[in-house]
Amino acid sequence: DAKTTQPPSMDCAEGRAANLPCNHSTISGNEYVYWYRQIHSQGPQYIIHGLKNNETNEMASLIITEDRKSSTLILPHATLRDTAVYYCIANPNFGNEKLTFGTGTRLTIIP
Amino acid sequence: NAGVTQTPKFQVLKTGQSMTLQCAQDMNHNSMYWYRQDPGMGLRLIYYSASEGTTDKGEVPNGYNVSRLNKREFSLRLESAAPSQTSVYFCASKGTLGLPSYNEQFFGPGTRLTVL
Repeated sequence: DAKTTQPPSMDCAEGRAANLPCNHSTISGNEYVYWYRQIHSQGPQYIIHGLKNNETNEMASLIITEDRKSSTLILPHATLRDTAVYYCIANPNFGNEKLTFGTGTRLTIIP
Repeated sequence: NAGVTQTPKFQVLKTGQSMTLQCAQDMNHNSMYWYRQDPGMGLRLIYYSASEGTTDKGEVPNGYNVSRLNKREFSLRLESAAPSQTSVYFCASKGTLGLPSYNEQFFGPGTRLTVL
């Protein structure tokens, strides 16, 4: 699996958009970009994933650059409940079902 | 629909003791996983099971054994616990190819294990 690089921490004001970057410069053609988050000491929670097109669901948007070497997770209107550690993971969608978690970005939403 | 459940929630062991962590899912998922998370670290895969009757090693399998008892249950056993195995253990399951949940791993609440 390709290595991903994320900033260790970020702050965002409540109600504003939180933009979390991720670099994955060695990503291969069959690897998807997955985002999970972990609130306090709970089990991680899936957010979104994508291959090369931008994706949006009820939780977030995922913007992947055209060269696929980086991506940004966007939480459009951050709330205090979005305070968590966010993990960006590059993983093939078929054949290899193992997720490799790094240390992620600790996002703090400020009232 | 309870999702992924784990027992116990907390456990304290002495060095050399053995124990089994239990995990069950009620979503009819084929794949199940065991991860550990040390303080300030991301999750690391211990073992996984792609289907009933199969298991494979992950990144950190030493000191652990697993059993995929049936499609619902996947247990993790520590035969002789060591202080280095003090960690939070998470079980997860993943949906079947063709279902909307195929791309998503569902995690349990974790077992907090301390080995003295």
